[in-house]
Amino acid sequence: GAVVSQHPSWVICKSGTSVKIECRSLDFQATTMFWYRQFPKQSLMLMATSNEGSKATYEQGVEKDKFLINHASLTLSTLTVTSAHPEDSSFYICSARVGPSWTEAFFGQGTRLTVV
Amino acid sequence: GQQLNQSPQSMFIQEGEDVSMNCTSSSIFNTWLWYKQDPGEGPVLLIALYKAGELTSNGRLTAQFGITRKDSFLNISASIPSDVGIYFCAGQSTTSGTYKYIFGTGTRLKVLA
Repeated sequence: GAVVSQHPSWVICKSGTSVKIECRSLDFQATTMFWYRQFPKQSLMLMATSNEGSKATYEQGVEKDKFLINHASLTLSTLTVTSAHPEDSSFYICSARVGPSWTEAFFGQGTRLTVV
Repeated sequence: GQQLNQSPQSMFIQEGEDVSMNCTSSSIFNTWLWYKQDPGEGPVLLIALYKAGELTSNGRLTAQFGITRKDSFLNISASIPSDVGIYFCAGQSTTSGTYKYIFGTGTRLKVLA
């Protein structure tokens, strides 16, 4: 399958600082990437859909000024958690779609964010 | 956010047994995907389904796209200890033309050796 790499795998930051998470498609070009958040023992909740060259589409209830998404190239999307607070601590996962809109998506390995 | 109903929520089985889980929705989907997630990792794609009625296998795994396009099931035959993990279904929604994926609530599988 297609390879999606997410970096970092884990990060600890102080409350009030910002953290950037990268999502890269290594062996294919991804016009669309997705960002999810997952709480312990729960399912994946879609935060936003990231389209190369255009603004991300955020799900209802997700603060776009809090979670900045940039998809500047066909192989890279970034999620920046701004002014992080302890309640932002979570597992963040990205996925990238391999082709047309109806095709499957592959996931990165996830980023464990802990805000202290 | 919207989620699909997945059952069972969890299951303990003996090694060698067959496993069946399903996913239902009130909405029609055009694509069904099944993923497995290990602790602390991202989900790994197991099977992708694109047509109503489609039955697809991947080794010991078999999945079907329901005729109504509102459900899907996954079977695992002759389970082994490494099958342990959380299995998620995902349906692709075309709401607002974004073609996003909606995830099920997950089935936590534990295999007893």
